[in-house]
Amino acid sequence: QSALTQPASVSGSLGQSITISCTGTSSDVGAYNYVSWYQQHPGKAPKLMIYDVSNRPSGVSNRFSGSKSGNTASLTISGLQAEDEANYYCSSYTSGSTLVFGGGTKLTVL
Amino acid sequence: QVQLVQSGAEVKKPGSSVKVSCKASGDTFSSYSISWVRQAPGQGLEWMGGVIPIFGTSNYAQNFQGRVTITADKSTSTAYMELSSLRSEDTAVYYCARALLTGTTVPYWFDPWGQGTLVTVSS
Repeated sequence: QSALTQPASVSGSLGQSITISCTGTSSDVGAYNYVSWYQQHPGKAPKLMIYDVSNRPSGVSNRFSGSKSGNTASLTISGLQAEDEANYYCSSYTSGSTLVFGGGTKLTVL
Repeated sequence: QVQLVQSGAEVKKPGSSVKVSCKASGDTFSSYSISWVRQAPGQGLEWMGGVIPIFGTSNYAQNFQGRVTITADKSTSTAYMELSSLRSEDTAVYYCARALLTGTTVPYWFDPWGQGTLVTVSS
């Protein structure tokens, strides 16, 4: 099962909004509403930010939102803050009864 | 609030095995599965497989079939991941993570995660 495709890096200025894409296939992202997003700061464990495409766990800022169109899911962060600078990973359940992750996107806050 | 606490870093020789533990506190295993996800240095995340403690059943990703064994001890709320025939490419941080039970043997998302255990494979 191939990894989901994410841009290697994105950047945005403080207060701006950015969107990270996650492209899969009709066997994973396009087939199920089981896309999740994780934030990982260097040397730390990943943290769940979005699950089931667009749901936010308790305690996650409403500046984070998720969506999906066809085979591509997206994570949008609005009102960028310095602490949002991190690596972000998407994942999806697949028709092969497995779970696949994206390669990760490094977000730089300017 | 549940916490997952993993065992400490390991250094292993090629060809040997490693067993990493993950102890849950603040909640029980009853409604969850525990998965293992690894991250090689500077790389992304890779799901290895998981266990459903209340049923004692395990499920493994194809890349690790035959080399990984994931188990759980309900009495101590501890999950284990054993990886055999280690090679240098297995050098990575190994995370355990909790997932809600789904209608399949595969989890959909993970929350929370353990702190990670660095396994270094070197001669």
